[in-house]
Amino acid sequence: DQQVKQNSPSLSVQEGRISILNCDYTNSMFDYFLWYKKYPAEGPTFLISISSIKDKNEDGRFTVFLNKSAKHLSLHIVPSQPGDSAVYFCAASEWGNYGQNFVFGPGTRLSVLP
Amino acid sequence: DVKVTQSSRYLVKRTGEKVFLECVQDMDHENMFWYRQDPGLGLRLIYFSYDVKMKEKGDIPEGYSVSREKKERFSLILESASTNQTSMYLCASNANLDQPQHFGDGTRLSIL
Repeated sequence: DQQVKQNSPSLSVQEGRISILNCDYTNSMFDYFLWYKKYPAEGPTFLISISSIKDKNEDGRFTVFLNKSAKHLSLHIVPSQPGDSAVYFCAASEWGNYGQNFVFGPGTRLSVLP
Repeated sequence: DVKVTQSSRYLVKRTGEKVFLECVQDMDHENMFWYRQDPGLGLRLIYFSYDVKMKEKGDIPEGYSVSREKKERFSLILESASTNQTSMYLCASNANLDQPQHFGDGTRLSIL
């Protein structure tokens, strides 16, 4: 069973509007969460992260919100731009024997329409 | 800027062949990882290495092995390729295990 879920395989948003990508997790031991963006034919690139001691982290147009009680995090992109069209992976981690063990969700394909 | 380079973008092999996927990073990172990406399943960790000659199994190590003889190079080996190993393979590295990983561009492997 997947520990990190992204229930929307795809999302379409108009340019200039807000994009909200959601991620749910089941393991309450996860304490560090990340979002990666992936363009076709390229590897994922790190976008933004949040520690479990915070409920919000902001970086320019990107904001990640964490609701620990609901085991839910979301990525907000405001305003959305056509260049944001990509697959977004949510990842969560907990401390293992050798450091953080990262678990990735299945991804959400975001399309920003001009 | 960190560069993780995977030797092949596309590879086609036959069932039963021994397949080598190579990955090199140029930032002296301690840790290197091999994932496979499949639709609807996200990235799943096959193996990782936290030091030269050290390796740890990830979530799906069956049918794979790895080699790390030098710090900058991490190889994934399919001992006897099977069609269910057709996938996108991604290599990654980081300096510390609590930091985001830097990924290569991936190798799309097809096993016929």
